[in-house]
Amino acid sequence: DTGVSQDPRHKITKRGQNVTFRCDPISEHNRLYWYRQTLGQGPEFLTYFQNEAQLEKSRLLSDRFSAERPKGSFSTLEIQRTEQGDSAMYLCASSLAFGEPAEKLFFGSGTQLSVL
Amino acid sequence: DQQVKQNSPSLSVQEGRISILNCDYTNSMFDYFLWYKKYPAEGPTFLISISSIKDKNEDGRFTVFLNKSAKHLSLHIVPSQPGDSAVYFCAASARGSSNTGKLIFGQGTTLQVKP
Repeated sequence: DTGVSQDPRHKITKRGQNVTFRCDPISEHNRLYWYRQTLGQGPEFLTYFQNEAQLEKSRLLSDRFSAERPKGSFSTLEIQRTEQGDSAMYLCASSLAFGEPAEKLFFGSGTQLSVL
Repeated sequence: DQQVKQNSPSLSVQEGRISILNCDYTNSMFDYFLWYKKYPAEGPTFLISISSIKDKNEDGRFTVFLNKSAKHLSLHIVPSQPGDSAVYFCAASARGSSNTGKLIFGQGTTLQVKP
């Protein structure tokens, strides 16, 4: 098992453009989370899935953000009409809903987004 | 509002000594607490956790202490090693009746262990 992988590692875009990030969780994990981290802060929860169902979205997540996990495996996070305030590290994590504590999250290395 | 706070942005200790990292929380609904460690260019990795029904949990060189009345937890690393140099995040969860696994993180403390 190679762990949680995220693609791309870095993304530079111009304000107003759309971007999409991909996350491949650990294969047997049924929960998948998206977090956002800015400099000097801890990760902030954005949304999570159990299998293909999106069960919770943070108030931080504006209508420009959308996440999907179509077959309960990989997930995508899309940001439309990017703004400079969207510049951050976007972290994906996965976990098991049962057996292990669900809070024991396994994180990917993240996608660093820079909006110019 | 910052529900989980790590008031010390950085800590420097000598190799072999004890490192103590502190964390305070405000939400009484939090009942599960974790510490994550993060190296540069990597995602956070789970280190140790504690349920609110306990006041101490130990795993090798790492011990987490929970003081519910003070809404305070701490991570002790003994002895500290240079490889422990990283950013440490405290995190909390309100399990309640729905164990979502959603975590609220503190701002992090950068630990430097000097050889």
